[in-house]
Amino acid sequence: QKEVEQDPGPLSVPEGAIVSLNCTYSNSAFQYFMWYRQYSRKGPELLMYTYSSGNKEDGRFTAQVDKSSKYISLFIRDSQPSDSATYLCAMTPSGNTGKLIFGQGTTLQVKP
Amino acid sequence: DSGVTQTPKHLITATGQRVTLRCSPRSGDLSVYWYQQSLDQGLQFLIQYYNGEERAKGNILERFSAQQFPDLHSELNLSSLELGDSALYFCASSVASGGAPDTQYFGPGTRLTVL
Repeated sequence: QKEVEQDPGPLSVPEGAIVSLNCTYSNSAFQYFMWYRQYSRKGPELLMYTYSSGNKEDGRFTAQVDKSSKYISLFIRDSQPSDSATYLCAMTPSGNTGKLIFGQGTTLQVKP
Repeated sequence: DSGVTQTPKHLITATGQRVTLRCSPRSGDLSVYWYQQSLDQGLQFLIQYYNGEERAKGNILERFSAQQFPDLHSELNLSSLELGDSALYFCASSVASGGAPDTQYFGPGTRLTVL
């Protein structure tokens, strides 16, 4: 079993829809949780990060972490065709290394 | 553009061969990370260097090795290549030694094809 599980999709939604992306994990040592976006043929770029449990909002994006359930989510409001990409969750335990454990990634397509 | 450069963009080689992938981090970044991305395994951490020293290691094969030079650029050496080594190899860099908030900026990747 992988440390981080993420449904690869693909997920197809109409423009303007609310998108929910999720990951589950098994390692209770994870403290930092991140969402990366990867466009086709590009490197991943950081969208948001959250420390421990709670919510964080940035424009149309909201990240949620529920450590008791070992479950994290990314919500995209008013989705746009430009949001079409692969979204990867990533996490790491507290400490001083940058070893990130990534989910498989969910491919999202937003149709105009 | 993240500011991280990787060369070459594409590499096609044969089984049993050895290749070197090069990465230049963003100006001022001291950490360099190497990741492998394949369809079946996803994005996997290989190794991290911080200011020339190995900082963290993932499931990096013994046939693979890396180093970070005094000018902070890094090279990933892959030897005795197998078909299964075909993948996208990403380099990332960050300011500090890791943890958060220490954003990792990813380069555009090198696509390796082993025939």
